[in-house]
Formats: sequence, structure tokens, C-alpha cells
Amino acid sequence: KAGVTQTPRYLIKTRGQQVTLSCSPISGHRSVSWYQQTPGQGLQFLFEYFSETQRNKGNFPGRFSGRQFSNSRSEMNVSTLELGDSALYLCASSLGGGFQETQYFGPGTRLLVL
Amino acid sequence: AQSVAQPEDQVNVAEGNPLTVKCTYSVSGNPYLFWYVQYPNRGLQFLLKYITGDNLVKGSYGFEAEFNKSQTSFHLKKPSALVSDSALYFCAVRDPLYYGGSQGNLIFGKGTKLSVKP
Repeated sequence: KAGVTQTPRYLIKTRGQQVTLSCSPISGHRSVSWYQQTPGQGLQFLFEYFSETQRNKGNFPGRFSGRQFSNSRSEMNVSTLELGDSALYLCASSLGGGFQETQYFGPGTRLLVL
Repeated sequence: AQSVAQPEDQVNVAEGNPLTVKCTYSVSGNPYLFWYVQYPNRGLQFLLKYITGDNLVKGSYGFEAEFNKSQTSFHLKKPSALVSDSALYFCAVRDPLYYGGSQGNLIFGKGTKLSVKP
């Protein structure tokens, strides 16, 4: 099976712009989670989607949003970008999102905000 | 709140020697524990997990981890390190008591950089 794919892999934006990142889960996986990775804060949970519904949400401002489509593909959007949003954004998928399930990660999208 | 601590920022090991990467956790309920590895410019790769049962868990690439409830630890081990094991290792916990909340997903430690010298 193909793994989790994320597009684009690299992105450069300027402050104030918005950005949309895409994630395609492993075939058959219905849960998609998003994480932000920075050197200072480490890996932080953004949100999780299952069957097109947001099931969990981390402690991030409302500028961070996401959605999931009927084919389980997910997008996350960051509006009004700030310098501190520069990070590696990781997407992970699992079958149904159960607590004991393994989450499989994509390669990430590296976002640089100038 | 649940949390994970990886007390060592970096671990240095000679190739062929055993390695240990430490992880301790704090949760309210019974933890689900995971280890991931990250190579430069890559995403996280799953190594192993503890859900229930045998305290010694075997995973990918010869890694294993021991769940110790009394010490609230889940240390990652490998009997003989390889240079190719050099990477960033993350311990993560998930606590079913937090389902639906902001901590209802994986909570990661800060990571430990493993360096294996030839």
C-alpha cells in the first residue's frame, strides 16, 4: 500500500497570506490527524478528522482550520500567516482513530513564513 | 494533564554496543505508549507500541521497549546499535480518559537525538 502523502513538500509564504496543505491517507484509513513540529515547541497536535468530522482539536488559534473529504483526504488551512507558523506540518492516518491504533505519518510539508 | 518526558536530549553510543533511549510518562488512566523515529527531512516512522499485555514489546529494526508501570517508564532499547540507527527518537502517549479533548491525541516527548559512532 502507498503511504501517507502530503503536498506540497515545501512552501514559502509571507506574513499575512494564507496557505492550504493537503494530505492523502493510506488507502482504507478514515482518520487523519495533523501535527505541527517546531524546534522550540516540538510536536503538537492540531486536530483530528474522522468521517469528515472534526473529532479532536488541539490548543491552536482559530487561524488554523481543517476539513476532510468523503474520500478521507484532508486539508488544513492557516490564515493570516505569522512568522511563528514556520514549521513542519505532519499528517498521520489510522484506520478508525481508535486509541490503540497506530498512526502512520507522511513526510510532512515544510512551511517557511517570511 | 498527561505528559511525556525524554530526559536526554542526546544519546551517544558506539556501533555494536547496546543502546537505551529513556521515556517516562504521566497519565491519569492506563496509557497507550508509542515510539517513533524521525530521519532528517522525513516524517515519523512507527517503531513499536504498548497497549496491554506483555511488558516487553518488540518492534521494527530490532528495537524493543519495556513498559514499567511502577516507574512510569517506557524505555527504548536495542542490543547492538548500528550507525544507521542515528536519528531523532520520539516517545508518545495517548490516554483514553482524554478522548475528545485537546489532549485526546498523541502527546509527544521533546525527542532524543541518537548518535551512533563507528
